[in-house]
Amino acid sequence: NAGVTQTPKFRILKIGQSMTLQCTQDMNHNYMYWYRQDPGMGLKLIYYSVGAGITDKGEVPNGYNVSRSTTEDFPLRLELAAPSQTSVYFCASSAGDGNQPQHFGDGTRLSIL
Amino acid sequence: AQKITQTQPGMFVQEKEAVTLDCTYDTSDQSYGLFWYKQPSSGEMIFLIYQGSYDEQNATEGRYSLNFQKARKSANLVISASQLGDSAMYFCAMRSLAGGTSYGKLTFGQGTILTVHP
Repeated sequence: NAGVTQTPKFRILKIGQSMTLQCTQDMNHNYMYWYRQDPGMGLKLIYYSVGAGITDKGEVPNGYNVSRSTTEDFPLRLELAAPSQTSVYFCASSAGDGNQPQHFGDGTRLSIL
Repeated sequence: AQKITQTQPGMFVQEKEAVTLDCTYDTSDQSYGLFWYKQPSSGEMIFLIYQGSYDEQNATEGRYSLNFQKARKSANLVISASQLGDSAMYFCAMRSLAGGTSYGKLTFGQGTILTVHP
């Protein structure tokens, strides 16, 4: 049971480049989330989705876009990468919005140079 | 708006002793859930324990227990019989259970680094 899988694990981008962080889950969870974690800090919500075709902004959405065409996949798109987007990105999923915990992927460490 | 405060940037504990990690929260919701996650140096986020605002008893999961004091808006994590493998960053997080537009979003604190000494 793979859980939440993120690719790539590491990436270095140049300023102005674009890329897509991939996230897939095999638990048939409706709820999926993207967070970023800056050094020594907690996680901040970028975007979330409550089901295929439904997405909404979190706390720090600027510079990012998402799509949710299937239950399994929730890719995060960075357009025109900036140094401020250097961070560790976590994808998570949960079965519901109650007491069910969020299950996290292993993270993608992204550096913008 | 919800806010989680973890006032201890770092904590040290001797192996086999108990340690308490502090978490206070602020919310106007009556129904909410509190979570604790562990993040080892390898980086993954591991769910430890959950407490609902209407749960009458404090949550326990093995060596982890949650000291929930609703009136004081605190949800401290207690780790008993600390082990070297407990050395990690620990995050307290909150989720509104009030429905509406919350959609299960978690608000995280800044974390506490726990170091267990042999």
